[in-house]
Amino acid sequence: GAGVSQSPSNKVTEKGKDVELRCDPISGHTALYWYRQSLGQGLEFLIYFQGNSAPDKSGLPSDRFSAERTGGSVSTLTIQRTQQEDSAVYLCASSPHMGSQYFGPGTRLTVL
Amino acid sequence: AQRVTQPEKLLSVFKGAPVELKCNYSYSGSPELFWYVQYSRQRLQLLLRHISRESIKGFTADLNKGETSFHLKKPFAQEEDSAMYYCALSGGYSSASKIIFGSGTRLSIRP
Repeated sequence: GAGVSQSPSNKVTEKGKDVELRCDPISGHTALYWYRQSLGQGLEFLIYFQGNSAPDKSGLPSDRFSAERTGGSVSTLTIQRTQQEDSAVYLCASSPHMGSQYFGPGTRLTVL
Repeated sequence: AQRVTQPEKLLSVFKGAPVELKCNYSYSGSPELFWYVQYSRQRLQLLLRHISRESIKGFTADLNKGETSFHLKKPFAQEEDSAMYYCALSGGYSSASKIIFGSGTRLSIRP
């Protein structure tokens, strides 16, 4: 595989709609991370998976945000009832056990 | 609380001048520290990690536990070093764990 991929690359949605963002990690990487990067801000940790389980969900901003990972591979981040403040670039990264993170290109979400 | 502080949003230096990007951290334990870099229109990528003790693209960073710092240094800046740099902290050496990023410093190298 070429690396971590994310889809869609851009998503424009209306306030109140639900969105799903997808991350395909590098094959064999056990850990998967989601971050949010808002304009002028750093990277905000959202959640990480070790295998299919999420030991730390403390970064999810509200109960409108959820994520899952199946088969130790693909992960989806779901945002329900989107708000304008959800507009950001959502980054996914994966890493092998004890390894450094490899980032995807991100999904730019715009909530109108 | 775990925290990574990068006090400079923007650092501008002339080509050939030394560069130091500051990073301070707060963590109760033995963290692992990283520097990540994002060049224009490219994805975020690892530059170096403290346990490797490497020099990558002429950059080095030393972990100073007394000052809780992990400043990134390069003796002679090059134009291609212009990018966004993020300092990051992880609590686990032996397994995946939450990673905290600083707010980033934009490095601009003037010709």
